[in-house]
Amino acid sequence: EAGVAQSPRYKIIEKRQSVAFWCNPISGHATLYWYQQILGQGPKLLIQFQNNGVVDDSQLPKDRFSAERLKGVDSTLKIQPAKLEDSAVYLCASSFPTSGGLSSYNEQFFGPGTRLTVL
Amino acid sequence: RKEVEQDPGPFNVPEGATVAFNCTYSNSASQSFFWYRQDCRKEPKLLMSVYSSGNEDGRFTAQLNRASQYISLLIRDSKLSDSATYLCVGGTNYGGSQGNLIFGKGTKLSVKP
Repeated sequence: EAGVAQSPRYKIIEKRQSVAFWCNPISGHATLYWYQQILGQGPKLLIQFQNNGVVDDSQLPKDRFSAERLKGVDSTLKIQPAKLEDSAVYLCASSFPTSGGLSSYNEQFFGPGTRLTVL
Repeated sequence: RKEVEQDPGPFNVPEGATVAFNCTYSNSASQSFFWYRQDCRKEPKLLMSVYSSGNEDGRFTAQLNRASQYISLLIRDSKLSDSATYLCVGGTNYGGSQGNLIFGKGTKLSVKP
């Protein structure tokens, strides 16, 4: 079974430039997540989609970050303009939605990530 | 205050040793807990879920103490291949639909020959 695909794998840009990342989740996974992982830290959720709707974007810096999942399948994350502190690995993950209930939780599968360096 | 706190390590242990990682969480909304493993320059992968009754998978045992808001992972008979960063994770659920994961910073384990 194919995993979560992400591209590009690496990106180097200068501050104030724009950059976009692409993610294709596992087939059938309605829930898609974008995480930011800064060196030495755990991943931090940026945005969560259920199909093409946003479930949680409370930690997305909306002045410079945007994300979309127009057809409810693949997704793009954009940074415009980039800052030095945006240097990180951007991880995409996907999962099946749960059937509900406080204890229900489906495993999130992560893609290989895009390593962004902002100079 | 960090929602999930872990000792970053590194833990340097010889092969065959038993090693324990601890983690505390402060978000009472977290309902589910997990340990993820992340190899150097790779993506995180689910190692195991954590239950109050304890969860054992081969050499790995995870435990949750909700009263103390404390999670543990025990690795017995360490192998060289266990060298990785272990991420303590809390999951939240919003009104019945799946929420998101809150990761700790991770504990780095290095198993030496």
